[in-house]
Amino acid sequence: AQKVTQTQTSISVMEKTTVTMDCVYETQDSSYFLFWYKQTASGEIVFLIRQDSYKKENATVGHYSLNFQKPKSSIGLIITATQIEDSAVYFCAMREGVGDNSKLIWGLGTSLVVNP
Amino acid sequence: NAGVIQTPRHKVTGKGQEATLWCEPISGHSAVFWYRQTIVQGLEFLTYFRNQAPIDDSGMPKERFSAQMPNQSHSTLKIQSTQPQDSAVYLCASSPRGEQYFGPGTRLTVL
Repeated sequence: AQKVTQTQTSISVMEKTTVTMDCVYETQDSSYFLFWYKQTASGEIVFLIRQDSYKKENATVGHYSLNFQKPKSSIGLIITATQIEDSAVYFCAMREGVGDNSKLIWGLGTSLVVNP
Repeated sequence: NAGVIQTPRHKVTGKGQEATLWCEPISGHSAVFWYRQTIVQGLEFLTYFRNQAPIDDSGMPKERFSAQMPNQSHSTLKIQSTQPQDSAVYLCASSPRGEQYFGPGTRLTVL
């Protein structure tokens, strides 16, 4: 069965530093897709970045990047030059199945607090 | 471009009453998903539609929950005989292909 695990429940960092959030996953599928979302204090869930399992290069979008270690079934999220507004809960998710639009399996989230 | 719209944003019902939640996906997105979020369980998949057809309802409690997508511009999630354990934030997401885009959610409180 597919499973996504985020072991860090909360992280606190100083502004302008770099933070890494961990995520490990379990899947039987040879092809899968990994996503990171953030949920703000207002409850809004925002898509950040994705990694397709067949791609060897780590995805990068703005100040978000991924550390994809396929042999370890690990997909870490790296945020560089953190800002106060990056404070949120970050969720790792995996899409199972071969269709384009199958359901997401979610981790329990990591709460990030960025301090001034 | 408007995002996913969910109404109402908040709903309070008494135990045993019915609740209907509405979702308007982003225009042009072929898939619509429903999730439920609670503190204890986190984000749970309920059901999804592709091109209005139900594809997977494996997360739906079978007896009281139902979902429909009568046209491409809206989907509904209906909960009959609501129970206190149904209290949660119900999230709708739409997707063109791959990543999903979420609405603001409906916070359902069952007294």
